[in-house]
Amino acid sequence: GIQVEQSPPDLILQEGANSTLRCNFSDSVNNLQWFHQNPWGQLINLFYIPSGTKQNGRLSATTVATERYSLLYISSSQTTDSGVYFCAEANQAGTALIFGKGTTLSVSS
Amino acid sequence: EPEVTQTPSHQVTQMGQEVILRCVPISNHLYFYWYRQILGQKVEFLVSFYNNEISEKSEIFDDQFSVERPDGSNFTLKIRSTKLEDSAMYFCASNRELGYGYTFGSGTRLTVV
Repeated sequence: GIQVEQSPPDLILQEGANSTLRCNFSDSVNNLQWFHQNPWGQLINLFYIPSGTKQNGRLSATTVATERYSLLYISSSQTTDSGVYFCAEANQAGTALIFGKGTTLSVSS
Repeated sequence: EPEVTQTPSHQVTQMGQEVILRCVPISNHLYFYWYRQILGQKVEFLVSFYNNEISEKSEIFDDQFSVERPDGSNFTLKIRSTKLEDSAMYFCASNRELGYGYTFGSGTRLTVV
């Protein structure tokens, strides 16, 4: 099945800094999604981005499907951005999401 | 905004006991899922459900697990005889179309003692 690799595993930032998180895939990208898991454990769907670029406030994401990777950009980070960021891709049938191991982001003031 | 609701938020159970985790998916969604996350690890797929039957299940979803949609709104995960290693956060999710538009519930933290 598809393998999802995320980097870096951990990231520590000062408030106001920018960051880039990366997701690599072993197979074709069709249903790439980014999630944020906040410190309370909630999983929030950030982007559905099988290709191209999307922006939502200080967050944006780019997927280059032909090269099997996606990037999540966080600009002017805030303490509320802390948590774990997961990327996930659906299996071939679309019946399951396969998650990466996540990037743990800690933003301090 | 519509939500996926999970109850209870926390459950502590003795090893060997049966537990039922409950979920109310978004009303016009058609596909329902259970995922689990052992503390500090990644989110793992357990099972997907469509049209009143399982459409896919992972190796984790063995005979100790079952799912049911007993009525038009609830979706349940039953673990028949819990083991210590079943301790995890269990997430319910739903979507309207395969592959995208997932909404996850807030999770049930299950602790087996």
